[in-house]
Order: sequence, then C-alpha cells, then structure tokens
Amino acid sequence: QKEVEQDPGPLSVPEGAIVSLNCTYSNSAFQYFMWYRQYSRKGPELLMYTYSSGNKEDGRFTAQVDKSSKYISLFIRDSQPSDSATYLCAMVPSNTGKLIFGQGTTLQVKP
Amino acid sequence: EPEVTQTPSHQVTQMGQEVILRCVPISNHLYFYWYRQILGQKVEFLVSFYNNEISEKSEIFDDQFSVERPDGSNFTLKIRSTKLEDSAMYFCASSMGYPNTEAFFGQGTRLTVV
Repeated sequence: QKEVEQDPGPLSVPEGAIVSLNCTYSNSAFQYFMWYRQYSRKGPELLMYTYSSGNKEDGRFTAQVDKSSKYISLFIRDSQPSDSATYLCAMVPSNTGKLIFGQGTTLQVKP
Repeated sequence: EPEVTQTPSHQVTQMGQEVILRCVPISNHLYFYWYRQILGQKVEFLVSFYNNEISEKSEIFDDQFSVERPDGSNFTLKIRSTKLEDSAMYFCASSMGYPNTEAFFGQGTRLTVV
C-alpha cells in the first residue's frame, strides 16, 4: 500500500464550481499536512498547512483533515480558470522533516 | 515577498559529467532541502540540511550526491557523475523549523542528461 494516495485525475469543472480534492494515507505517524499548487514546469507553491484534525479556511480554500480516517481534503470555492494546475498533498511524519507527496491531481477549470 | 531562488533554470549535461545546482534559500530560514521530480512522477525527497550537516537523506541520495552551504546564502547540490536517470526537475526548499513548519520551494532546475 502506498503511503500517500491521490487520484491523478484529470478533473475538469466549470468556472464557479466547488472543487473537492482528496488524499488518503496509511502512516499514522503523519502529523503535518500541506497542500501545494504546481503549475506546469514550476515549483510547488504552498497553499495550506494544517497539523490537527478539523477544518482550516483561507479565502476560497478550505483544508480538512480527518486523522481517524487518514483522509485529507482541499475544497476550492468559486473556482476560477487561474486555479487550473496540479494540486499536491504532502505529509510530514512527526519524527522527520521530509515531505511525502501524493501523485498530484490535475485540475482544469473551464470558463 | 521572500522566495527561494534556483539557478540555472535548465541545465543540459553529458552523461558522466559533474553538475552543481544552486539555490538561495529564504534568508531567515534554517532548514534546507532538495527534492526531485522525474517527469510524470511524484515529487521525491532527497536530503535535508541543518547547521551545516545533513539531517536526513533518502535512499536516492547515494554517494554520487553531495550538498554544501559554501557561504551564508547559497545551498548547492552536486551530482558527481551524472546518469541518464538523473534527468529530472530538482527543487530546493527551505523552512524556518523542522518538522512542523511550512516548506517553501524554488522554481526548480530542469536537469537533462544526454
């Protein structure tokens, strides 16, 4: 079983839709959870960072962590064509600083 | 806004040659990282560096790889004898803390080994 699983998509939605992106994980030692956005041939850009179960909101983005189910989500409200990118979940075990990434989900928001 | 900068953006090298990839982390960050992403694959951890020594490395980071902080601002990744399979995007990242703070990534160096 992979440590972090993420559906690669692609996911195509109309402008204005609510987008839900998800990752599951198997390692109970993961304590910190991040979402990055990556445009083609660019570096990952940090969007959200959480370390506890529950929701965290930042503008149009909401990150959700359910440690009991080993499941994290990123919701994008009122999606825009500029949100078209690959979204990477990343996790950090408690005893290390290295990020373990998911495969990334490619999102296309159509005008 | 402070950012991690990497040079060059694209490097082409012949198999067996040495390459040095350069990074300038965010100035008040203390922890530095290299990751790589082979085309179409996941971003993979290579190494973390703190206080002038390696904190952690992956199994990818073998004797062909080395890292150095030669001065107060630069952080380098050296690949001694490049192989075709080293072709990838290499990302430098930095963070203030370890492990529980956000890591910020540079734009990457695309390494092509021919």
